Amino acid sequence: DQQVKQNSPSLSVQEGRISILNCDYTNSMFDYFLWYKKYPAEGPTFLISISSIKDKNEDGRFTVFLNKSAKHLSLHIVPSQPGDSAVYFCAASGRGGNEKLTFGTGTRLTIIP
Amino acid sequence: NAGVTQTPKFQVLKTGQSMTLQCAQDMNHNSMYWYRQDPGMGLRLIYYSASEGTTDKGEVPNGYNVSRLNKREFSLRLESAAPSQTSVYFCASSETGTGEGYTFGSGTRLTVV
Repeated sequence: DQQVKQNSPSLSVQEGRISILNCDYTNSMFDYFLWYKKYPAEGPTFLISISSIKDKNEDGRFTVFLNKSAKHLSLHIVPSQPGDSAVYFCAASGRGGNEKLTFGTGTRLTIIP
Repeated sequence: NAGVTQTPKFQVLKTGQSMTLQCAQDMNHNSMYWYRQDPGMGLRLIYYSASEGTTDKGEVPNGYNVSRLNKREFSLRLESAAPSQTSVYFCASSETGTGEGYTFGSGTRLTVV
């Protein structure tokens, strides 16, 4: 039973445009959410996070939005750059981020020059 | 460089063979994890160790054993490899909890024939 779902396996976006990656979760005990980025032949690296007490968190070109009622979060990248081409994993945790992470299936983002 | 080191990077095993995947971290983190990554399945937790001397099963522990040798090292053992264990394996470490603090190794690509 997949508790964290990323329904789009892949996404292609023109350079300079906005990339929107989506993630849904089913476990209402999750209260901390993260995005990780993964390049080929490397391990995932932390990108941005959000606590359930917020509905938005911004860090430079990256913004994460959380809709608790819909159990949905999204990652916006503006503007998209070629170096953003990677696999993005959504992850969730309970107890304010103090539980082990549950990851989604990943979305491969390709930025077209 | 500080981080998580996994060995080997690549391995081919015959069905029924055994092997141990090694992981070491030099960040003095308490918690360590083993994940596997499969197409369409994302990252799934195999085993984790919240602190030295403790280990617990994750989502997909069958066919694996682990040893938390000391605070730095957390090994994953396949006693009798099966083709279903063909995957990319990632080790990670973190301070207890704190999702942002997950540092991943670069992975071990294992093929069982």
